Amino acid sequence: GESVGLHLPTLSVQEGDNSIINCAYSNSASDYFIWYKQESGKGPQFIIDIRSNMDKRQGQRVTVLLNKTVKHLSLQIAATQPGDSAVYFCAERPDTGRRALTFGSGTRLQVQP
Amino acid sequence: GAGVSQSPRYKVAKRGQDVALRCDPISGHVSLFWYQQALGQGPEFLTYFQNEAQLDKSGLPSDRFFAERPEGSVSTLKIQRTQQEDSAVYLCASSLGPQGDTQYFGPGTRLTVL
Repeated sequence: GESVGLHLPTLSVQEGDNSIINCAYSNSASDYFIWYKQESGKGPQFIIDIRSNMDKRQGQRVTVLLNKTVKHLSLQIAATQPGDSAVYFCAERPDTGRRALTFGSGTRLQVQP
Repeated sequence: GAGVSQSPRYKVAKRGQDVALRCDPISGHVSLFWYQQALGQGPEFLTYFQNEAQLDKSGLPSDRFFAERPEGSVSTLKIQRTQQEDSAVYLCASSLGPQGDTQYFGPGTRLTVL
């Protein structure tokens, strides 16, 4: 199948380590943020989301942190597994009047066994 | 449960041909979105439906692109007189409510224009 993210920034981690993927967003008016995981040949898969009135949200093995002061979003993955290898995209919703998401350029996560 | 489905998964068209891409959203989802994803990039918004109403088509790149959702369920994205620059993966997403918060994506249709 086709390769997602041929020239993306790559984060390489050892299996079992924690991973942190960072994202800078552009619009201070954005009210909603979401992280997606995309494997080759597949559509983006929802991981976790957070609203602008929060600064942290936890899921299963994942945590999203939001710093509105510096317009920064991060995704932390605990005990990274080989199945976590994929391209990760952050997305923001810049305007509550619209529903469209604006995606970042993506980060490739490679998990070494 | 069934997720968002798209067909065909792959489409090859000769330049100048018309193509139609289909999206079946998750049952009961009010909001439906189309995105275009070029190789190595994140998805880019094309258009948005709330039920059968097309509320935002600001992302459609030209008047050759047309989308519809006549009964508020299945949607079709049509591209007329395809050009090589239309080659991309076309993704459909749906969300439960009108706010369009958590958008669930289908597998995409990879369009190659020769």
